Amino acid sequence: QSVLTQPPSVSAAPGQKVTISCSGSSSNIGDNFVSWYRQLPGTAPKLLIYDNDKRPSGIPDRFSGSRSGTSATLGITGLQTGDEADYYCGTWDSSLSGGLVFGGGTKLTVV
Amino acid sequence: QLQLQESGPGLVKPSETLSLTCTVSGGSISSSNLYWGWIRQPPGKGLEWIGSISYSGTTHYSPSLKSRVTISVDTSKNHFSLKLTSVTAADTAVYYCTRPSHRTFGLVHTYYVDVWGKGTTVTVSS
Repeated sequence: QSVLTQPPSVSAAPGQKVTISCSGSSSNIGDNFVSWYRQLPGTAPKLLIYDNDKRPSGIPDRFSGSRSGTSATLGITGLQTGDEADYYCGTWDSSLSGGLVFGGGTKLTVV
Repeated sequence: QLQLQESGPGLVKPSETLSLTCTVSGGSISSSNLYWGWIRQPPGKGLEWIGSISYSGTTHYSPSLKSRVTISVDTSKNHFSLKLTSVTAADTAVYYCTRPSHRTFGLVHTYYVDVWGKGTTVTVSS
């Protein structure tokens, strides 16, 4: 069971907007910065968002991130079929166990 | 552009030690303020952080793997390594080497992975 909680799947039509939630606790999301990753089938994950809402160079502004309290949200607008992938949130956990923790992943289907 | 490439056996026997190496190209492994790490993904499952090592040699390991994991850096070869002892079938996974960015602002941490290797599949089986 993952430390962070994400919905197993979400779906939306091409051109629409979708949001993916990530729920944690005060020792992880509540205290530290959140990042988001996209993993296309058979490939390594790719960083989409870091420090809650910052996009690395080359990531289009269709992707956005936010954090409020112990939850974070990834937003994707103008959905494309190429956005079908697994999406993961991650953050540092400051509890005694510590370390980088991930959500279980959300499968996005564009139908 | 920094690139990472994993290498090592694709098959390891139960109870033995899994050893992987990550070769860094396009940059120096000994540059200050850099971290290096490993993440794995069991078949059909999510991502699991294994640990990381800083430019100064400070290590952070997953609490669930800490007793079995060692991450080390070889600056002369510009590569870093993972050793995982006493493996079982549960250690079967795709192993990714990574270049995380890890900074602290007081008690607040930012930790994200902006460079990933392509991954290597390791199967634990007799």
